[in-house]
Amino acid sequence: NAGVMQNPRHLVRRRGQEARLRCSPMKGHSHVYWYRQLPEEGLKFMVYLQKENIIDESGMPKERFSAEFPKEGPSILRIQQVVRGDSAAYFCASSRFGQGTSPPEQYFGPGTRLTVT
Amino acid sequence: DAKTTQPTSMDCAEGRAANLPCNHSTISGNEYVYWYRQIHSQGPQYIIHGLKNNETNEMASLIITEDRKSSTLILPHATLRDTAVYYCIVRASSNTGKLIFGQGTTLQVKP
Repeated sequence: NAGVMQNPRHLVRRRGQEARLRCSPMKGHSHVYWYRQLPEEGLKFMVYLQKENIIDESGMPKERFSAEFPKEGPSILRIQQVVRGDSAAYFCASSRFGQGTSPPEQYFGPGTRLTVT
Repeated sequence: DAKTTQPTSMDCAEGRAANLPCNHSTISGNEYVYWYRQIHSQGPQYIIHGLKNNETNEMASLIITEDRKSSTLILPHATLRDTAVYYCIVRASSNTGKLIFGQGTTLQVKP
Protein backbone atom coordinates (compact mmCIF):
# COMPACT_ATOMS: atom_id res chain seq x y z
CA ASN A 1 0.00 0.00 0.00
CA ALA A 2 1.77 3.11 -1.20
CA GLY A 3 1.99 5.99 1.19
CA VAL A 4 1.23 9.63 0.52
CA MET A 5 3.06 10.77 -2.57
CA GLN A 6 4.17 14.28 -3.32
CA ASN A 7 5.80 15.69 -6.38
CA PRO A 8 8.01 17.25 -7.22
CA ARG A 9 10.30 16.63 -4.25
CA HIS A 10 12.29 19.75 -5.05
CA LEU A 11 11.09 22.77 -6.98
CA VAL A 12 13.02 25.89 -7.89
CA ARG A 13 11.15 28.96 -9.08
CA ARG A 14 12.18 32.52 -9.82
CA ARG A 15 10.35 35.34 -8.14
CA GLY A 16 7.06 36.02 -9.90
CA GLN A 17 6.62 32.52 -11.29
CA GLU A 18 3.95 30.04 -10.30
CA ALA A 19 4.53 26.92 -8.23
CA ARG A 20 2.28 23.86 -8.39
CA LEU A 21 2.69 21.17 -5.76
CA ARG A 22 0.93 17.84 -6.09
CA CYS A 23 -0.22 15.37 -3.49
CA SER A 24 -1.69 11.91 -3.99
CA PRO A 25 -3.27 10.60 -0.79
CA MET A 26 -2.99 7.07 0.49
CA LYS A 27 -5.39 4.59 -1.06
CA GLY A 28 -8.75 4.79 0.61
CA HIS A 29 -8.13 8.22 2.10
CA SER A 30 -10.55 10.98 1.21
CA HIS A 31 -9.15 13.83 3.30
CA VAL A 32 -6.07 15.88 2.44
CA TYR A 33 -4.21 18.45 4.50
CA TRP A 34 -1.41 20.82 3.57
CA TYR A 35 1.20 22.11 6.00
CA ARG A 36 4.14 24.46 5.56
CA GLN A 37 7.45 24.44 7.38
CA LEU A 38 9.56 27.55 6.99
CA PRO A 39 13.32 27.15 7.54
CA GLU A 40 14.12 26.55 11.22
CA GLU A 41 10.45 26.81 12.16
CA GLY A 42 7.65 24.46 13.10
CA LEU A 43 4.92 22.96 10.97
CA LYS A 44 1.95 25.20 10.31
CA PHE A 45 -1.42 24.05 9.04
CA MET A 46 -2.57 25.63 5.81
CA VAL A 47 -5.68 23.96 4.43
CA TYR A 48 -7.90 20.90 4.80
CA LEU A 49 -9.80 19.48 1.83
CA GLN A 50 -12.11 16.66 0.95
CA LYS A 51 -12.93 15.71 -2.60
CA GLU A 52 -14.14 18.87 -4.38
CA ASN A 53 -14.53 20.76 -1.09
CA ILE A 54 -12.39 23.04 1.01
CA ILE A 55 -13.25 22.32 4.63
CA ASP A 56 -10.84 24.62 6.48
CA GLU A 57 -8.52 27.16 4.89
CA SER A 58 -7.83 29.15 8.03
CA GLY A 59 -4.07 28.75 7.63
CA MET A 60 -3.83 29.83 4.02
CA PRO A 61 -2.33 33.23 3.21
CA LYS A 62 -5.05 35.48 1.87
CA GLU A 63 -3.39 36.14 -1.44
CA ARG A 64 -1.55 34.09 -4.07
CA PHE A 65 -2.24 30.71 -2.46
CA SER A 66 -4.97 28.30 -3.49
CA ALA A 67 -5.67 24.60 -3.11
CA GLU A 68 -7.94 22.09 -4.72
CA PHE A 69 -8.73 18.39 -4.47
CA PRO A 70 -10.67 17.43 -7.58
CA LYS A 71 -12.90 14.42 -7.97
CA GLU A 72 -10.20 12.75 -10.02
CA GLY A 73 -6.48 13.23 -9.61
CA PRO A 74 -4.17 14.61 -6.96
CA SER A 75 -4.63 17.55 -4.68
CA ILE A 76 -2.86 20.69 -5.92
CA LEU A 77 -1.40 23.53 -3.88
CA ARG A 78 -0.84 26.49 -6.15
CA ILE A 79 1.27 29.51 -5.32
CA GLN A 80 1.10 32.38 -7.77
CA GLN A 81 3.78 35.04 -8.18
CA VAL A 82 6.13 33.40 -5.70
CA VAL A 83 8.34 35.49 -3.45
CA ARG A 84 11.48 34.53 -1.53
CA GLY A 85 9.46 34.21 1.67
CA ASP A 86 7.55 31.29 0.11
CA SER A 87 10.70 29.16 0.24
CA ALA A 88 9.80 26.31 2.56
CA ALA A 89 8.99 22.64 2.82
CA TYR A 90 5.37 21.90 1.99
CA PHE A 91 3.96 18.71 3.43
CA CYS A 92 0.77 16.98 2.48
CA ALA A 93 -1.04 14.54 4.74
CA SER A 94 -4.05 12.34 4.21
CA SER A 95 -6.51 10.53 6.41
CA ARG A 96 -9.48 8.23 6.10
CA PHE A 97 -12.98 9.38 6.83
CA GLY A 98 -13.43 9.51 10.58
CA GLN A 99 -15.87 6.80 11.57
CA GLY A 100 -14.64 5.95 15.03
CA THR A 101 -14.62 7.97 18.20
CA SER A 102 -11.10 9.29 17.79
CA PRO A 103 -9.97 11.70 15.09
CA PRO A 104 -8.34 9.73 12.27
CA GLU A 105 -4.57 9.81 12.24
CA GLN A 106 -2.91 11.72 9.44
CA TYR A 107 -0.16 10.20 7.32
CA PHE A 108 2.35 12.54 5.79
CA GLY A 109 4.18 12.58 2.50
CA PRO A 110 7.90 13.31 2.08
CA GLY A 111 7.29 16.96 1.27
CA THR A 112 8.13 19.34 -1.56
CA ARG A 113 11.00 21.70 -0.95
CA LEU A 114 10.32 24.97 -2.73
CA THR A 115 13.19 27.35 -3.33
CA VAL A 116 12.47 30.78 -4.73
CA THR A 117 15.44 32.53 -6.28
CA ASP B 1 -7.84 21.60 21.54
CA ALA B 2 -5.93 21.76 24.82
CA LYS B 3 -2.42 23.20 25.00
CA THR B 4 0.55 20.90 25.61
CA THR B 5 3.94 21.49 27.23
CA GLN B 6 7.04 19.42 26.44
CA PRO B 7 10.70 19.74 27.35
CA THR B 8 12.72 21.35 24.60
CA SER B 9 15.31 18.60 24.38
CA MET B 10 16.35 15.26 25.82
CA ASP B 11 19.20 12.81 25.42
CA CYS B 12 19.00 9.04 25.56
CA ALA B 13 21.62 6.31 25.31
CA GLU B 14 21.24 3.88 22.45
CA GLY B 15 19.50 0.70 23.56
CA ARG B 16 17.92 2.30 26.58
CA ALA B 17 14.30 3.33 26.97
CA ALA B 18 13.44 6.89 25.99
CA ASN B 19 10.69 8.43 28.11
CA LEU B 20 9.24 11.63 26.65
CA PRO B 21 6.86 13.55 28.91
CA CYS B 22 3.99 15.79 27.92
CA ASN B 23 1.86 17.99 30.11
CA HIS B 24 -1.74 18.70 29.08
CA SER B 25 -3.32 19.88 32.30
CA THR B 26 -6.31 21.52 30.60
CA ILE B 27 -7.32 18.44 28.62
CA SER B 28 -11.04 17.77 28.51
CA GLY B 29 -12.91 14.50 28.52
CA ASN B 30 -13.34 14.13 24.78
CA GLU B 31 -9.75 14.98 23.86
CA TYR B 32 -7.23 12.43 22.69
CA VAL B 33 -3.45 12.54 23.05
CA TYR B 34 -1.55 11.99 19.79
CA TRP B 35 2.17 11.62 19.23
CA TYR B 36 4.03 12.32 16.02
CA ARG B 37 7.69 12.63 15.25
CA GLN B 38 9.70 14.32 12.54
CA ILE B 39 13.04 12.88 11.63
CA HIS B 40 15.26 15.52 10.09
CA SER B 41 13.72 17.01 6.93
CA GLN B 42 11.25 14.17 6.52
CA GLY B 43 7.47 14.29 6.75
CA PRO B 44 6.03 13.83 10.24
CA GLN B 45 5.27 10.27 11.23
CA TYR B 46 2.29 9.16 13.29
CA ILE B 47 3.35 7.14 16.33
CA ILE B 48 0.43 6.43 18.63
CA HIS B 49 -2.63 7.94 20.28
CA GLY B 50 -4.83 7.32 23.30
CA LEU B 51 -7.70 8.62 25.37
CA LYS B 52 -7.27 7.33 28.90
CA ASN B 53 -5.99 3.78 28.76
CA ASN B 54 -2.37 2.97 28.16
CA GLU B 55 -1.64 2.02 24.57
CA THR B 56 1.10 0.04 22.91
CA ASN B 57 1.96 -0.63 19.31
CA GLU B 58 5.00 -1.79 17.38
CA MET B 59 6.65 1.61 17.70
CA ALA B 60 5.99 2.78 21.23
CA SER B 61 3.93 2.78 24.38
CA LEU B 62 1.78 5.63 25.62
CA ILE B 63 1.16 6.00 29.34
CA ILE B 64 -1.58 8.44 30.34
CA THR B 65 -1.96 9.39 33.99
CA GLU B 66 -5.24 8.63 35.73
CA ASP B 67 -6.20 12.31 35.86
CA ARG B 68 -5.20 12.61 32.16
CA LYS B 69 -3.22 15.77 32.83
CA SER B 70 0.01 14.32 31.55
CA SER B 71 1.34 11.46 29.48
CA THR B 72 4.62 9.77 28.60
CA LEU B 73 5.70 8.32 25.30
CA ILE B 74 8.06 5.40 25.76
CA LEU B 75 10.41 4.11 23.09
CA PRO B 76 11.51 0.86 24.74
CA HIS B 77 14.88 0.40 23.05
CA ALA B 78 15.96 3.63 21.42
CA THR B 79 18.17 3.47 18.34
CA LEU B 80 20.10 6.19 16.56
CA ARG B 81 17.29 6.29 13.99
CA ASP B 82 14.89 7.44 16.70
CA THR B 83 16.68 10.80 16.85
CA ALA B 84 13.91 13.23 15.92
CA VAL B 85 11.58 15.95 17.13
CA TYR B 86 8.63 14.42 18.99
CA TYR B 87 5.31 16.22 19.12
CA CYS B 88 2.55 15.67 21.63
CA ILE B 89 -0.79 16.95 20.29
CA VAL B 90 -4.18 16.98 21.96
CA ARG B 91 -7.20 16.66 19.67
CA ALA B 92 -10.91 16.71 20.37
CA SER B 93 -12.92 13.78 19.09
CA SER B 94 -14.79 16.23 16.88
CA ASN B 95 -11.57 17.56 15.37
CA THR B 96 -11.04 15.72 12.13
CA GLY B 97 -9.01 18.58 10.74
CA LYS B 98 -5.78 20.33 11.42
CA LEU B 99 -2.97 19.23 13.64
CA ILE B 100 -1.44 22.03 15.68
CA PHE B 101 2.26 21.37 16.14
CA GLY B 102 4.09 23.00 19.03
CA GLN B 103 7.85 23.11 19.44
CA GLY B 104 8.09 19.47 20.44
CA THR B 105 10.96 17.68 22.15
CA THR B 106 14.18 17.12 20.27
CA LEU B 107 15.35 13.65 21.26
CA GLN B 108 19.01 12.91 20.63
CA VAL B 109 19.90 9.23 20.87
CA LYS B 110 23.61 8.83 21.53
CA PRO B 111 25.80 5.79 20.93
